[in-house]
Amino acid sequence: EDKVVQSPLSLVVHEGDTVTLNCSYEVTNFRSLLWYKQEKKAPTFLFMLTSSGIEKKSGRLSSILDKKELFSILNITATQTGDSAVYLCAVEAREYGNKLVFGAGTILRVKS
Amino acid sequence: ETGVTQSPTHLIKTRGQQVTLRCSSQSGHNTVSWYQQALGQGPQFIFQYYREEENGRGNFPPRFSGLQFPNYSSELNVNALELDDSALYLCASSFWRQGELFFGEGSRLTVL
Repeated sequence: EDKVVQSPLSLVVHEGDTVTLNCSYEVTNFRSLLWYKQEKKAPTFLFMLTSSGIEKKSGRLSSILDKKELFSILNITATQTGDSAVYLCAVEAREYGNKLVFGAGTILRVKS
Repeated sequence: ETGVTQSPTHLIKTRGQQVTLRCSSQSGHNTVSWYQQALGQGPQFIFQYYREEENGRGNFPPRFSGLQFPNYSSELNVNALELDDSALYLCASSFWRQGELFFGEGSRLTVL
């Protein structure tokens, strides 16, 4: 059965800190790994990763995938209170069309 | 603004009742997926629709059913509601076989 495990489950940091969120997965016929940010209701897309070792960046956020070790990390540098959210990791398998298997998420709280 | 709209935003039902949730997909997208997100959990795949047909289903009983219309909008129907059906129901639209999903704000269902 396809599975995604995220860690830590939650963390609290101060503004300006750097955080690393982890995502490990087991999936048959891996197609891609995606990161989403969920602040209130609608998860918003952050990154899609398909190749190992290629870092994707967007402002203070970056992510990388290791297909050999079956994990990904999401880094946030110089955190701000607006980064407080649930960060969801999901994997897509080739035979499922657009089906995503999500982890439980990491709750990040950034204190000012 | 994600472009995916869902209605209603909140609703309360009692056990045994039936509910219909609606979703308008983002312009141009031809695939709609539905996810159930219980409190403190990641979204769980219910099913997806492409070309007005169900194309992939998660571990949900037959009392969860859906439709996709020619304009790519969609409905999720749940019969014989149970207390455990209380959750946020998320609709997501996308292009077929492209993993990046765009989510709506969700419909919060409470079953009493």
